[in-house]
Amino acid sequence: GIQVEQSPPDLILQEGANSTLRCNFSDSVNNLQWFHQNPWGQLINLFYIPSGTKQNGRLSATTVATERYSLLYISSSQTTDSGVYFCAVLYGGATNKLIFGTGTLLAVQP
Amino acid sequence: EAQVTQNPRYLITVTGKKLTVTCSQNMNHEYMSWYRQDPGLGLRQIYYSMNVEVTDKGDVPEGYKVSRKEKRNFPLILESPSPNQTSLYFCASSSLGLGGYTFGSGTRLTVV
Repeated sequence: GIQVEQSPPDLILQEGANSTLRCNFSDSVNNLQWFHQNPWGQLINLFYIPSGTKQNGRLSATTVATERYSLLYISSSQTTDSGVYFCAVLYGGATNKLIFGTGTLLAVQP
Repeated sequence: EAQVTQNPRYLITVTGKKLTVTCSQNMNHEYMSWYRQDPGLGLRQIYYSMNVEVTDKGDVPEGYKVSRKEKRNFPLILESPSPNQTSLYFCASSSLGLGGYTFGSGTRLTVV
């Protein structure tokens, strides 16, 4: 099956710093999303981005489908950005199942 | 507001006592799915539904049942819960072939 790997696995930042999270996938995909799981466990949809670049405030994402990777940029990080960031891909097939990456645990310190 | 609503958010129950976790979406999505999240194992799909009266097993269906009698609702039923079903559960929905998944806020279930 498809492999979805994220890096780095852990990241500690000072408030105000910028960061780049990476998601690599091993096969062609129909969809890619980035999620933020906050400390309360909620999964917040950040981007639906099967290809191209999108921006939402301090966050932006780029997916290069032909090279099988996606990047999530966080600028001017805040303590509320802490949590786990997942990318998830929709792999071709009848089940329409999202396959999640391994996650990046981000801690932003004041 | 477009959303997926799960209830309850937190539940502590005893082994063997039947329970239902409800899930409802207001986006007219055809597809709905249940996931469980466990430390070290990530998110795994339990069941999914492509449309009303169409359901199928995901990766970890043992011990669970679902039904899809209406398009908006997709309850998860644990007929006889066991401690190994202690987990964080998510319901999700999507429009087949268009856009992404929307997840509910999660249900943290503890079976003692």
